[in-house]
Amino acid sequence: DTGVSQDPRHKITKRGQNVTFRCDPISEHNRLYWYRQTLGQGPEFLTYFQNEAQLEKSRLLSDRFSAERPKGSFSTLEIQRTEQGDSAMYLCASSLGPVTELFFGEGSRLTVL
Amino acid sequence: AQSVTQLGSHVSVSEGALVLLRCNYSSSVPPYLFWYVQYPNQGLQLLLKYTSAATLVKGINGFEAEFKKSETSFHLTKPSAHMSDAAEYFCAVSEGDGGSQGNLIFGKGTKLSVKP
Repeated sequence: DTGVSQDPRHKITKRGQNVTFRCDPISEHNRLYWYRQTLGQGPEFLTYFQNEAQLEKSRLLSDRFSAERPKGSFSTLEIQRTEQGDSAMYLCASSLGPVTELFFGEGSRLTVL
Repeated sequence: AQSVTQLGSHVSVSEGALVLLRCNYSSSVPPYLFWYVQYPNQGLQLLLKYTSAATLVKGINGFEAEFKKSETSFHLTKPSAHMSDAAEYFCAVSEGDGGSQGNLIFGKGTKLSVKP
């Protein structure tokens, strides 16, 4: 399968713990996006990379959130000191250049107890 | 700032009936518009997109949408609903040609139910 893959698919953690999600985009795609989706809402933009450069961060991305894409390939999204409000589905998407179709992974569901 | 409004969080139709999912957008620049579908526990899949070419756009699974600038609308239709169409549908907007990063702004979604 050569689509966008995300790991882990599910993560249950206790409040205050750190969690990290990984996203492997489609190999030739230079753009990678992170979105968050809560129940009953559409995906909300968090941040995006072009190659290894992080070009924009949403106001939703508090100081506890950090994303990296060190070699312009896979990306990680880390949440430090998790809070119950962080419980959501974290979606990764990739694209070949701007304003083209975004290909989404199946998401990583985070539950903070 | 760009935004999308989807009218109706839940739409229910009978199998074989017309599907109409409404989307209105707000954008200060020519928009690119998208419809995505999400099945339970799956990622989003592109149904169709409008990128300033033909205003009537045909997508997968028999869906189509028409861009109406005067109404700032991009409603999704399908002449005859099938049980397999039951899913959640998201409308999204992006800045068009000359825009910035190309990230999408999504609506809140419309859950489509299809009754036998």
